[in-house]
Parts: sequence; structure tokens; C-alpha cells
Amino acid sequence: SAVISQKPSRDICQRGTSLTIQCQVDSQVTMMFWYRQQPGQSLTLIATANQGSEATYESGFVIDKFPISRPNLTFSTLTVSNMSPEDSSIYLCSVEDWGGNEKLFFGSGTQLSVL
Amino acid sequence: DQQVKQNSPSLSVQEGRISILNCDYTNSMFDYFLWYKKYPAEGPTFLISISSIKDKNEDGRFTVFLNKSAKHLSLHIVPSQPGDSAVYFCAAGGGGGSYIPTFGRGTSLIVHP
Repeated sequence: SAVISQKPSRDICQRGTSLTIQCQVDSQVTMMFWYRQQPGQSLTLIATANQGSEATYESGFVIDKFPISRPNLTFSTLTVSNMSPEDSSIYLCSVEDWGGNEKLFFGSGTQLSVL
Repeated sequence: DQQVKQNSPSLSVQEGRISILNCDYTNSMFDYFLWYKKYPAEGPTFLISISSIKDKNEDGRFTVFLNKSAKHLSLHIVPSQPGDSAVYFCAAGGGGGSYIPTFGRGTSLIVHP
């Protein structure tokens, strides 16, 4: 199993500012995933980050709002830009299990509150 | 359009009794299903899965049942313990589409001592 360290664990931010969330994995992985969980909602995939290429964004998410970096095979960042209260969510990074059983490992999440 | 639905946001059960968490899906192409458990301030952790070729998978106190004709799956926890109190997410994926699973909204289970 993969161990994923995510930080910050929580933050309270002002409207219009940006926050960068970091995700570190204890092993090399090809793909890293960024999810969002808004209050009372499901885990929604924001984007898939591959090392050496631009992230692939899901419908409803754009690079200008959620820029992602993937400088190597163990690290990724997600930035939430120009924040508004609607961005208040839990943000989670995730990697797949190489056992081939389609399961994902998740970081502990970042609880973001935007005032 | 929600492809994976967990219609019960919460469930309360007495310790020692059975907990049954339900999940419905709309995409008949899904061919694998998973349950995740999430404690507060932690990320979801994988609990149990089932592929579409099976109708039951058991792991200790946890059993997942799949009814493909009804597009319904359920997670049974027997006996329930207070440490099982968490949010449970149902997820589904595969079947020619993206292998990345689609999640439901979760059901908050509270097991009372």
C-alpha cells in the first residue's frame, strides 16, 4: 500500500487568495488524482496528474482555477486560485493500487474554508 | 447526473446488530464496485470490493452483495461495532469507460454502544 502525506491538513483563507496543497507519496507512481468533496456531496475527481505532462481535467474544472504541478513521480501540488466561499471543501490526493484491483489510496485531505 | 447514489445520508445502529448500507447505480457498464470508509480528518480507506461476475464477497464482518439486474449493491456489517462509526462511500467503475471510480455521496454510520 502507498503512504500519502498531504498538507496543509486545514486552512482558512480569504476570498480572492490562492492556496497550494502538497501531496507526497512514499513510492513512485505514474498517476496521481485530485478529488474534491464539497459538503454533503460525493468525492468528485478534479484532474489526473501525470509526471512530465499537463494534467487532464474533468468536466467542470479548468487549469486556470486549479493549476496542478507534477514535477516528479512522488510529488504533486494542487492550487486553488482566486478562491470564493464556494471553494470551501475537502481536497484529497490519491494514487492507484498497483495490485490491479482498481482501488485507490487517499491522503488525509485538506479541509479548506474560504471566508 | 449522479451515476452512483447513496440515498441514505445517515444510519444509526445498535452495537452487535447488523448494519446495511445501500447503493444504487445507473450505468450498466460498471464492472467493479468498491466500498470505502472515512473517519473524520482522514482520507477514505478501501474496505471491500466486488466485480460484476460475482454476487457476493465476504471479508470478516463485512459482506458486499451485488444485484446486477437491480443495479444495486449493499454492504453488510455483522456484528456492528462502535469503531465502525464512519462515513461509507460506495464507488463504481470500469466497463469500457474510465477505470477511475465514480463515488456516491456517502452514508454516515453511527454505531451506538
